[in-house]
Amino acid sequence: EDQVTQSPEALRLQEGESSSLNCSYTVSGLRGLFWYRQDPGKGPEFLFTLYSAGEEKEKERLKATLTKKESFLHITAPKPEDSATYLCAAQGVGTDKLIFGTGTRLQVFP
Amino acid sequence: GAVVSQHPSWVICKSGTSVKIECRSLDFQATTMFWYRQFPKQSLMLMATSNEGSKATYEQGVEKDKFLINHASLTLSTLTVTSAHPEDSSFYICSARDPGTGNTEAFFGQGTRLTVV
Repeated sequence: EDQVTQSPEALRLQEGESSSLNCSYTVSGLRGLFWYRQDPGKGPEFLFTLYSAGEEKEKERLKATLTKKESFLHITAPKPEDSATYLCAAQGVGTDKLIFGTGTRLQVFP
Repeated sequence: GAVVSQHPSWVICKSGTSVKIECRSLDFQATTMFWYRQFPKQSLMLMATSNEGSKATYEQGVEKDKFLINHASLTLSTLTVTSAHPEDSSFYICSARDPGTGNTEAFFGQGTRLTVV
């Protein structure tokens, strides 16, 4: 069964304290691995798509990496405005559906 | 990225009434849109896939007679919650892909908070 698991469930960081969020996935042939940011009461905001193991993408303080079994979202020197829930989703070959993880709620304190 | 607009952003309705939520792709044509439901502190659960000009495909356990989906044009899909009850209160989100770019990422609407009283 296709599945996406994210850890930790919640993460509290001091401003400037770098860390990583994990997304483990099991799908029948990965077509794409997606990262989204979701603020309370809002729809998910697209961050990155990763297609193959070894691929990396960066945007400001965020960097996403991909292996054959998991993806990491690295946050370097986070700021309070990075506080949000970060969602990971996987899409398998032959389907349009995204399978979402339960997300990591990140809180960054000044 | 592509823009998906959802309306209304929140709605309160009485038990037994029906509520319609609209999802529009503003700068692209979407042959397929997706409807999700999200409970507090939980992830997005796919309810159905909306196909332009044809019937929606519902996920297992989702009542198609309760959650009516219409995708009458390439830029608009609607979700109607019929005879709403308090247990239908949730956050409903739509998404769409822009097929013209060849990319696979999905873009999401702002979400609709439905409260049934």
